[in-house]
Amino acid sequence: GENVEQHPSTLSVQEGDSAVIKCTYSDSASNYFPWYKQELGKRPQLIIDIRSNVGEKKDQRIAVTLNKTAKHFSLHITETQPEDSAVYFCAASKRYSTLTFGKGTMLLVSP
Amino acid sequence: EAQVTQNPRYLITVTGKKLTVTCSQNMNHEYMSWYRQDPGLGLRQIYYSMNVEVTDKGDVPEGYKVSRKEKRNFPLILESPSPNQTSLYFCASTGGATNEKLFFGSGTQLSVL
Repeated sequence: GENVEQHPSTLSVQEGDSAVIKCTYSDSASNYFPWYKQELGKRPQLIIDIRSNVGEKKDQRIAVTLNKTAKHFSLHITETQPEDSAVYFCAASKRYSTLTFGKGTMLLVSP
Repeated sequence: EAQVTQNPRYLITVTGKKLTVTCSQNMNHEYMSWYRQDPGLGLRQIYYSMNVEVTDKGDVPEGYKVSRKEKRNFPLILESPSPNQTSLYFCASTGGATNEKLFFGSGTQLSVL
């Protein structure tokens, strides 16, 4: 089955800096790559996603890039703010009903 | 309001005492799934269902059962809970096809003593 590796497991940045979280996947048939944000004590929520026919997608301060050849995708957060502090999960799927998640990255943004 | 309703929010039980965690969605989604979340292990899929009466195992199905008798409901059953099933559980649904966004329930923190 699909295997998703996510790095780093923790990431500390200063407010205003950029943050990058990277994921690799194993199944070349995977074609959907979402990112979820989970604040402390809350449920995961989708923040951005990308499909395999697109190389990059942006939404305000967040962007996701995909390299199908290398089978990796990344989340970029610019101008980080304290409210960006959370656990971020990447995921991959080739069937929309079955997502395989990475183990998560705890992002800490210090004021 | 579109939502996935999961109950209970917290549950403490003892080894071997059967329990059910309920999950219901009001979005007419065909696809529903259960995940468990453990520190350092992320979200791991337990079971999923593509439609009524259609269920399949995820990555960690041992010790769990599910049923999908109605489209809106997808309960998770632990016939004989053990301490290694102590975890945070999430139910989720998606419309699939053109909308793969997962809608998660609020979670159930289960402790098996």
